[in-house]
Amino acid sequence: AQSVSQHNHHVILSEAASLELGCNYSYGGTVNLFWYVQYPGQHLQLLLKYFSGDPLVKGIKGFEAEFIKSKFSFNLRKPSVQWSDTAEYFCAVLNYGGATNKLIFGTGTLLAVQP
Amino acid sequence: ETGVTQSPTHLIKTRGQQVTLRCSSQSGHNTVSWYQQALGQGPQFIFQYYREEENGRGNFPPRFSGLQFPNYSSELNVNALELDDSALYLCASSKDSGGKYFGPGTRLTVT
Repeated sequence: AQSVSQHNHHVILSEAASLELGCNYSYGGTVNLFWYVQYPGQHLQLLLKYFSGDPLVKGIKGFEAEFIKSKFSFNLRKPSVQWSDTAEYFCAVLNYGGATNKLIFGTGTLLAVQP
Repeated sequence: ETGVTQSPTHLIKTRGQQVTLRCSSQSGHNTVSWYQQALGQGPQFIFQYYREEENGRGNFPPRFSGLQFPNYSSELNVNALELDDSALYLCASSKDSGGKYFGPGTRLTVT
């Protein structure tokens, strides 16, 4: 079965620091990968997604992620974080099972950005 | 905002009771899936509905059931509530196998 691992459970950064959140997945075939963000008190929002093509994917709010097939990784990056980036970040892989396409999520990384 | 709405926002029930949660999908989306997010965890897939039929199910017991209506809105029903059912329940809509857009969730507390 597919699985997603996020190794950083809590990350604390100062404003303007660079961010990289790790994500590894277990499936060796074709994968569709996502990063979602959950701001305090708000719903899950899609940050970016990878389906095919350029392995460097750019998303909203200055985030990007790089798909590295050989490492089974899809790390999220941002060159300079802001206080407003404080949120929980979830990596997910889309699992196709017949007619069903379900998202398998990692356990999330809680990011706190200090002003 | 994704256009996916859920009701109610919060709900408190006691063990053994039954609960119904509702979801209205984004316009043009024909697929609805439900996820359970326990505290400190990532969302876990419960089941998915496509054109009013369940077409996929995660590792949840039969007391978790659902419906999808002709307008693609959906309900999640949970019978015989247990304390461990306390969680945020998320609805996500998509068109066919496209990207999923989540609603704000219903926070269920079972006492």
